[in-house]
Amino acid sequence: GESVGLHLPTLSVQEGDNSIINCAYSNSASDYFIWYKQESGKGPQFIIDIRSNMDKRQGQRVTVLLNKTVKHLSLQIAATQPGDSAVYFCAENMGDSWGKLQFGAGTQVVVTP
Amino acid sequence: NAGVTQTPKFQVLKTGQSMTLQCAQDMNHEYMSWYRQDPGMGLRLIHYSVGAGITDQGEVPNGYNVSRSTTEDFPLRLLSAAPSQTSVYFCASSYSKGDRGRNYGYTFGSGTRLTVV
Repeated sequence: GESVGLHLPTLSVQEGDNSIINCAYSNSASDYFIWYKQESGKGPQFIIDIRSNMDKRQGQRVTVLLNKTVKHLSLQIAATQPGDSAVYFCAENMGDSWGKLQFGAGTQVVVTP
Repeated sequence: NAGVTQTPKFQVLKTGQSMTLQCAQDMNHEYMSWYRQDPGMGLRLIHYSVGAGITDQGEVPNGYNVSRSTTEDFPLRLLSAAPSQTSVYFCASSYSKGDRGRNYGYTFGSGTRLTVV
């Protein structure tokens, strides 16, 4: 989910359960979306992407869903593992120019044993 | 492949000092960009470049300059550092939108943590 300011929303998940992280994007002209994972002290790491002409894309243990009608993006992580603990960001490529990403504020995922 | 390399990893500046953050990529990516990340927030675009010799402003360009004389390098210059520029800076690169069969995801460097006192 999205947030404003310093307090990231936190998703607490038990190891082995599925996680769903939500994101609302702002620009109806955006044509490309990416989910990133960021661990403490590191740069964002690419997880999965989706173009606006698709509504679902699957990767290894991850699925991204895109609902353009309500400008909503979600990331599903199957069988969440301790190594999945991180901050997750959605990003949209603003449709007027390639090379410009707009990021959401992020969601902290905490995996508990 | 080294990917995207940023130097330095850490830097402390005094108010008013200038410095250049370096970014280099060895993937022959056309697109490069600079972001800043403040505590508990997402990344905000400072400047970006769609190719050598071409740059443009992002969301928060004030106080920063860039140039792109080669495909590989995209340095970010702080003209006169201010405490408000204390942040973590990330450089990213990607292939052109029109490239078929390539991974379009942006590759990020590991960041430069800058403190201005």
